[in-house]
Amino acid sequence: QVQLVESGGGVVQPGRSLRLSCAASGFSFSSYGMHWVRQAPGKGLEWVAVISYDGSNKYYTDSVKGRFTISRDNSKNTLFLQMNSLRAEDTAVYYCAKAGGEPAAKYNWFDPWGQGTLVTVSS
Amino acid sequence: DIQMTQSPSTLSASVGDRVTITCRASQSISSWLAWYQQKPGKAPKLLIYKASNLESGVPSRFSGSGSGTEFTLTISSLQPDDIATYYCQQYNSYSLTFGGGTKVEIK
Repeated sequence: QVQLVESGGGVVQPGRSLRLSCAASGFSFSSYGMHWVRQAPGKGLEWVAVISYDGSNKYYTDSVKGRFTISRDNSKNTLFLQMNSLRAEDTAVYYCAKAGGEPAAKYNWFDPWGQGTLVTVSS
Repeated sequence: DIQMTQSPSTLSASVGDRVTITCRASQSISSWLAWYQQKPGKAPKLLIYKASNLESGVPSRFSGSGSGTEFTLTISSLQPDDIATYYCQQYNSYSLTFGGGTKVEIK
């Protein structure tokens, strides 16, 4: 079955960097767009970024533009999120999620989700 | 960005009750709406896509309806396992956005 496993979270000081990974299995990874979604402690869900199946198109929420970079390695079935210039407000559980529906669809729902990895930005 | 507004934010009902959650979009999103269930400490789980399509394996007591700017998620007979927070999400355009969530509790 489809499985997504995030890693790379931890405690980091403001202004520093962190790289998250998401290992995918159970589906044709190179055929689907992939997303990052985050959830601050006790808060709702916030979409962060998407990358197309081949990495040629990327979109970000405004609050992370210029600081975060989404990428993928289709040879290793792995999704990444490089997070630079981290701020306290970036503290959240970060989930990777597969784009739901047809691979060619531009906009998607999320299905399934990984278990999440916690990023804490604090001095 | 399209704003998604859910109501109520908290809902308390008895086992067996019919429960309805509303999600309103700030502009028309056709039927490009999904619903998720999130239990404490767990990742969200897809329930409904394209406003009314039930995801495989999801109990039939869950249903979705609506189009344009107003949508509903209905649980026909609330069960103890349905205690969770529910989110709507639009996928009409970027940024993809979620409603603020509805926490469902047992009375």
